[in-house]
Amino acid sequence: QKEVEQDPGPLSVPEGAIVSLNCTYSNSAFQYFMWYRQYSRKGPELLMYTYSSGNKEDGRFTAQVDKSSKYISLFIRDSQPSDSATYLCAMTSLNTGANSKLTFGKGITLSVRP
Amino acid sequence: EAGVAQSPRYKIIEKRQSVAFWCNPISGHATLYWYQQILGQGPKLLIQFQNNGVVDDSQLPKDRFSAERLKGVDSTLKIQPAKLEDSAVYLCASSLEGRPGGYTFGSGTRLTVV
Repeated sequence: QKEVEQDPGPLSVPEGAIVSLNCTYSNSAFQYFMWYRQYSRKGPELLMYTYSSGNKEDGRFTAQVDKSSKYISLFIRDSQPSDSATYLCAMTSLNTGANSKLTFGKGITLSVRP
Repeated sequence: EAGVAQSPRYKIIEKRQSVAFWCNPISGHATLYWYQQILGQGPKLLIQFQNNGVVDDSQLPKDRFSAERLKGVDSTLKIQPAKLEDSAVYLCASSLEGRPGGYTFGSGTRLTVV
């Protein structure tokens, strides 16, 4: 079993739709959870960063963490064509130092149709 | 703030040849990472530096890959000899004191081994 599993894609939605992206993980040592967005031929850029279980909102984006179920989600409201990209979940066990390496999911490619 | 600079952007080599990639992190970022992203997968950590010391190289194929970070600033990643399965995007990232929420990725070097 991989440490981080991400729902397979690709995903195509119409503009304005609500998008739900999900990851599960098996390593209970993971404490910090991130969502990255990666445009074609670009490096990943940090979208959301959460620590505790619960929801964190930033504009049209909401990150949700359920540590008891080892499940994280990213919701995108009122999706726009500019949201078309690959979304990667990532997680790590410690905040600094030797264990700050990130373990990524495979990524899911989202396409928002105008 | 200038981002993480990587060069070259693209490289095509034949198997068994050698290749080197260069990374210049964000000024002041002590932690530098090299990740390998194979098509359709999430990035995988190859090596992590703290200043010019290696923190984690457990997933670096040391028989063919090497990396150095001189004077705690720029870094180079070398592959010698290259194999077909080394075809991937090589991403450099840096962060302040290894904080996972503070990663900044470069745009990567896309390597094709033929």
